[in-house]
Amino acid sequence: AQSVTQLDSHVSVSEGTPVLLRCNYSSSYSPSLFWYVQHPNKGLQLLLKYTSAATLVKGINGFEAEFKKSETSFHLTKPSAHMSDAAEYFCVVSVSGTYKYIFGTGTRLKVLA
Amino acid sequence: DVKVTQSSRYLVKRTGEKVFLECVQDMDHENMFWYRQDPGLGLRLIYFSYDVKMKEKGDIPEGYSVSREKKERFSLILESASTNQTSMYLCASSLSGGRSYNEQFFGPGTRLTVL
Repeated sequence: AQSVTQLDSHVSVSEGTPVLLRCNYSSSYSPSLFWYVQHPNKGLQLLLKYTSAATLVKGINGFEAEFKKSETSFHLTKPSAHMSDAAEYFCVVSVSGTYKYIFGTGTRLKVLA
Repeated sequence: DVKVTQSSRYLVKRTGEKVFLECVQDMDHENMFWYRQDPGLGLRLIYFSYDVKMKEKGDIPEGYSVSREKKERFSLILESASTNQTSMYLCASSLSGGRSYNEQFFGPGTRLTVL
């Protein structure tokens, strides 16, 4: 069965420092993985997705994620945090052969001035 | 620009009322979804639809029903609202084919309060 675990419910970084949001997945098949961002009182916006092409995936707003099969991880990174990155981030795995998507419980990123 | 719209951003209803939440997408997507979002629980799937008039229960369908009479529109119905249905409701759509790499597009959400 597919599942996804976001290892931190809250992360705080200073503006200009790197961001690391951790996600581990469990999947019986080659998974498709996504990162979404949700700003306060808004819907979710796709940051990036992994679909078995390149293992290093670049997304919008300077974010990227690396798919590591051996570690079953898909961590989200950004070299330098900006105040506008403060939001909640969701890691999502899709269930192969179905229409279902499994969401992590989210990581709230706080960026300190 | 692709778009998923939801009929209300904020809604306040009384216990026992029938509540309709509407979602419209302009991307000609086959799949549409309703989720509820609660703090610490992430998003939980209520229902999804893979075609007009076709629907399947998600993980938490109790107390909800759905309607999809047209491809672009997917409605969530709370037959008799209760206070434990106070939540943020998110609608999403995606392309079909059972292709798991198709991302979902989300609406802005409806924050429902049941008094």
